[in-house]
Amino acid sequence: QTVVTQEPSFSVSPGGTVTLTCGLSSGSVSTTYYPSWYQQTPGQAPRTLIYSTNTRSSGVPDRFSGSILGNKAALTITGAQADDESDYYCVLYMGSGLWVFGEGTKLTVL
Amino acid sequence: EVQLVQSGAEVKKPGESLKISCKGSGYSFTNYWIGWVRQMPGKGLEWMGIIYPGDSDSRYSPSFQGQVTISADKSISTAYLHWSSLKASDTAMYYCARHDYGDYVIPYWGQGTLVTVSS
Repeated sequence: QTVVTQEPSFSVSPGGTVTLTCGLSSGSVSTTYYPSWYQQTPGQAPRTLIYSTNTRSSGVPDRFSGSILGNKAALTITGAQADDESDYYCVLYMGSGLWVFGEGTKLTVL
Repeated sequence: EVQLVQSGAEVKKPGESLKISCKGSGYSFTNYWIGWVRQMPGKGLEWMGIIYPGDSDSRYSPSFQGQVTISADKSISTAYLHWSSLKASDTAMYYCARHDYGDYVIPYWGQGTLVTVSS
């Protein structure tokens, strides 16, 4: 079964830039997987950040951006803020109506 | 305003059945797929499956096929997630979420339903 891989954890300093990635256990992520990104803080439902690789959801600050870097999807946070400390999940559309979540990255801002 | 409102927390015993619900409002319920996502305690999000309320077409993750049933009643704009025989390992938070295939995004989420299975 396909595994969508993400870094388990990442740390960034306030004001710094961090890039989280989303890969496949076998194969490359491309725009045809329509990668999307979601932010989740403890006790809350996920919030949509980015969809279709690089489109920001309504109300999402422009310090969040999405792209394809090499063979992975990427979420870049530029000018990280304390309230960006969250879990981040990518989702890939696998075709035939099926979606798969990545394993998630716990981002610490300190 | 689009809203997905889920049913309340449940405490059940192993072997019992359970159906939790997700009521959509603020949009045409029959025209968008609704999916379910599991989050076990302290763990990540897992995509379970999806249904199109317009015709009840459903798809399941291989990990959840045969373990749960997703259904919908379009007359009351409500989707369901059903277990026929719960296990302790079904203890988790469950989210419903609208899936938009035009943009391949999950833009709207329910508030979550906590299911606890314990003897």
